[in-house]
Amino acid sequence: NAGVTQTPKFRILKIGQSMTLQCTQDMNHNYMYWYRQDPGMGLKLIYYSVGAGITDKGEVPNGYNVSRSTTEDFPLRLELAAPSQTSVYFCASSYRDPALFTRRGNNLGNGYTFGSGTRLTVV
Amino acid sequence: EDQVTQSPEALRLQEGESSSLNCSYTVSGLRGLFWYRQDPGKGPEFLFTLYSAGEEKEKERLKATLTKKESFLHITAPKPEDSATYLCAVQAGVEAGGTSYGKLTFGQGTILTVHP
Repeated sequence: NAGVTQTPKFRILKIGQSMTLQCTQDMNHNYMYWYRQDPGMGLKLIYYSVGAGITDKGEVPNGYNVSRSTTEDFPLRLELAAPSQTSVYFCASSYRDPALFTRRGNNLGNGYTFGSGTRLTVV
Repeated sequence: EDQVTQSPEALRLQEGESSSLNCSYTVSGLRGLFWYRQDPGKGPEFLFTLYSAGEEKEKERLKATLTKKESFLHITAPKPEDSATYLCAVQAGVEAGGTSYGKLTFGQGTILTVHP
């Protein structure tokens, strides 16, 4: 069981180049998310998806696009890379709403499963 | 706008020296408050979800508590392996359509270092 897999782990882009960050999960999770993490800042939501064919913008979507053609994959596309997109990108997934209270099962609650991240530098 | 502020930004402890991390939040109808642990170069790892004021949850040396305005992560007799960044996040109430879609607002984290 691999969980959430992100590729590549590191990438350097030149200004104006484009690339796709890959994210795949093998847990049959419906909900998937893309966040970016900048030093000293909290994770910011870029895009999210609640199922195949359904995506929506998060807090910081400008300069990014996503698609969700299958349950497993949720790629993030950067068009015309800019230095402001230098960041660490995390993909996450959950079976359903992580705040859904369940009286049975794990007493600790439910949360996201995160990938290991992609460190992107735009120069 | 939902906001989460964590304090302190960094905390250095000696092994065995208990302490607490704070997470203050403002949210339009709290649906859940989450604690995650993040090791350097890795993605965050889920620890707890708290749903309502007064709730407490424990895991090994960690205990999370929740009030209407803040949450605390208490660390009892910490060990060097507890060194990590601890992230707090909130999920707001239900949006139009009857679901909140699991979107989280994160704090900036507290970097915990435990010295042997």
